[in-house]
Amino acid sequence: GAVVSQHPSRVICKSGTSVKIECRSLDFQATTMFWYRQFPKQSLMLMATSNEGSKATYEQGVEKDKFLINHASLTLSTLTVTSAHPEDSSFYICSARDPRTGGGGYEQYFGPGTRLTVT
Amino acid sequence: EDQVTQSPEALRLQEGESSSLNCSYTVSGLRGLFWYRQDPGKGPEFLFTLYSAGEEKEKERLKATLTKKESFLHITAPKPEDSATYLCAADSGTYKYIFGTGTRLKVLA
Repeated sequence: GAVVSQHPSRVICKSGTSVKIECRSLDFQATTMFWYRQFPKQSLMLMATSNEGSKATYEQGVEKDKFLINHASLTLSTLTVTSAHPEDSSFYICSARDPRTGGGGYEQYFGPGTRLTVT
Repeated sequence: EDQVTQSPEALRLQEGESSSLNCSYTVSGLRGLFWYRQDPGKGPEFLFTLYSAGEEKEKERLKATLTKKESFLHITAPKPEDSATYLCAADSGTYKYIFGTGTRLKVLA
């Protein structure tokens, strides 16, 4: 099966600092990756779509200057939370679209998530 | 507007008590319907993809089915380790998923 890793799994940072989260597809090349945010007992909220070699597409209401996304290679996308504030504390999950799947809709495989706490 | 709705929100079952989870969708041009399992503090784990009405997929105690309006995840003789949140998601052709709110399943020993 397709494997997606995410690093770090947990991070604590001080208010005003930046933190970077990495998402890697380990056994397939992913031209498209997605970044989600999940609040307790809620479903996943799509933040942005990351395309290799081009600018990310952000969902309405997501600040692109705060959540910087870089998809520098076919196996790596990064999310940088800049000038973090306590309200940015959340569970961040990435996924990678597997181009080998098809029949119409592509399968997304998710990373294990990153718990961000801003103090 | 495309929408995915899951029911029930929460479900408690005794071990061995079979049941079904529902995922209703109003999505124009459905390209795929996906089921995931999510354990607390972890990312969703892929279970099934369904592409067309009438399609069925099975894996161990789980069976997913699809009609033109809804999908069901049938759980046969569940065990405590099946306790998790089950999410369904639809792809309307934009390659972005429309997620339901999930069903929190608790299986009691």
